[in-house]
Amino acid sequence: DTEVTQTPKHLVMGMTNKKSLKCEQHMGHRAMYWYKQKAKKPPELMFVYSYEKLSINESVPSRFSPECPNSSLLNLHLHALQPEDSALYLCASSQLQGAAQPQHFGDGTRLSIL
Amino acid sequence: AQSVTQLDSQVPVFEEAPVELRCNYSSSVSVYLFWYVQYPNQGLQLLLKYLSGSTLVKGINGFEAEFNKSQTSFHLRKPSVHISDTAEYFCAVSGEGGSYIPTFGRGTSLIVHP
Repeated sequence: DTEVTQTPKHLVMGMTNKKSLKCEQHMGHRAMYWYKQKAKKPPELMFVYSYEKLSINESVPSRFSPECPNSSLLNLHLHALQPEDSALYLCASSQLQGAAQPQHFGDGTRLSIL
Repeated sequence: AQSVTQLDSQVPVFEEAPVELRCNYSSSVSVYLFWYVQYPNQGLQLLLKYLSGSTLVKGINGFEAEFNKSQTSFHLRKPSVHISDTAEYFCAVSGEGGSYIPTFGRGTSLIVHP
């Protein structure tokens, strides 16, 4: 059983839609991450939150908008996505943001853009 | 900049045979090393980590890895694989730069045949 829960598991949306991905963890972790993963590729970091504040934005297009309402929740708001944004979106958390901190991943949301 | 090289994109092996998945890293500072496994339609799961101390690290599911600083390697081994070990395996390194974000290798697909 994964300790990081992501909803929905699958999402199909048109290029003009607005949708949100949700991630939740109850391990008391203070760092949370969003990754994008294409098939047969490693995860690519998108955003990092540390103590509910945006710590890293890896030059992600503004059509992706992260939000961290509290220490347990992480959202990713989607708007006007492109077909190349179709991918598996993974959320992860770690106790703190630090080099020695292993990350705990959710099972992801598989996103398809029509 | 830190980097990770997973030399094999795919490793086929028969059930109950031993396996080694190779990982080499490059970094100008001390590093922390991780192996993650990704089963189909799931997120990444931590197999094991090297932070300091003993260079032989034991992980879950019977896997182990050896940190070799002189050869900048962190190869993953299992003495006898099962069908259920079929998955994608990612080596990751962190420690360089202020962001402490891990760099993932491209992944190795382990395929266990009956």
